[in-house]
Amino acid sequence: SYVLTQPPSVSVAPGKTATFTCGGNNIRTKSVHWYQQNPGQAPVLVISYDVDRPSGIPERFSGSNSGNTATLTITRVEAGDEADYYCQVWDSSGDHPVFGGGTKLTVL
Amino acid sequence: QVQLVQSGAEVKTPGASVRISCKAHGDTFSDSIVHWVRQAPGQRLEWVGWINGGNGYTKYLQKLQDRVTISRDTSATTVYMDLSRLESGDTAVYFCANSTFGSSSADYWGQGTLVTVSP
Repeated sequence: SYVLTQPPSVSVAPGKTATFTCGGNNIRTKSVHWYQQNPGQAPVLVISYDVDRPSGIPERFSGSNSGNTATLTITRVEAGDEADYYCQVWDSSGDHPVFGGGTKLTVL
Repeated sequence: QVQLVQSGAEVKTPGASVRISCKAHGDTFSDSIVHWVRQAPGQRLEWVGWINGGNGYTKYLQKLQDRVTISRDTSATTVYMDLSRLESGDTAVYFCANSTFGSSSADYWGQGTLVTVSP
């Protein structure tokens, strides 16, 4: 099964930029999706297909994908952005989605 | 925009079975793949299985394959997940989520159902 690796935590001051990485073997060949999950709530899709923002997601959220690393970037971080962030791809060999371990964002 | 509403929390003893439902409001599942994803306390999201809302075809996580069954009703507005021979390791919040055909992302999620397995 395809493996996605995320750092467990990221800390950033309000107003600064938060960067989340998602590592996978030749991940550039896959479409990467990102979800935000607040405590006790369901995940919310914030970036799909590497770079697309679903309706209602602020422009502060952006994504990229190159080589063995996909990246989610949040600019002008706010206290309300504090949450867990998960990346996800489709494992074509197993025909199912695969999630990374998630990264917890702490806003200092 | 479809809204997914799941059934309420369950408490079960080891060895029992549980059924969780996921109802679509505002649309049907006939043009969707519906996933079940679980999250044990403090752990990552783990895909459990999916069902094609149009033809009923299913796919399951290999380690759960002999214990999980996903089904849908004939109107394709409700999807069910049955999990048998429950173990303490099955304690988790179970989410349903749907993807339109051809999409690899989970676009809409239910609110989650806590299943607690305890003696």
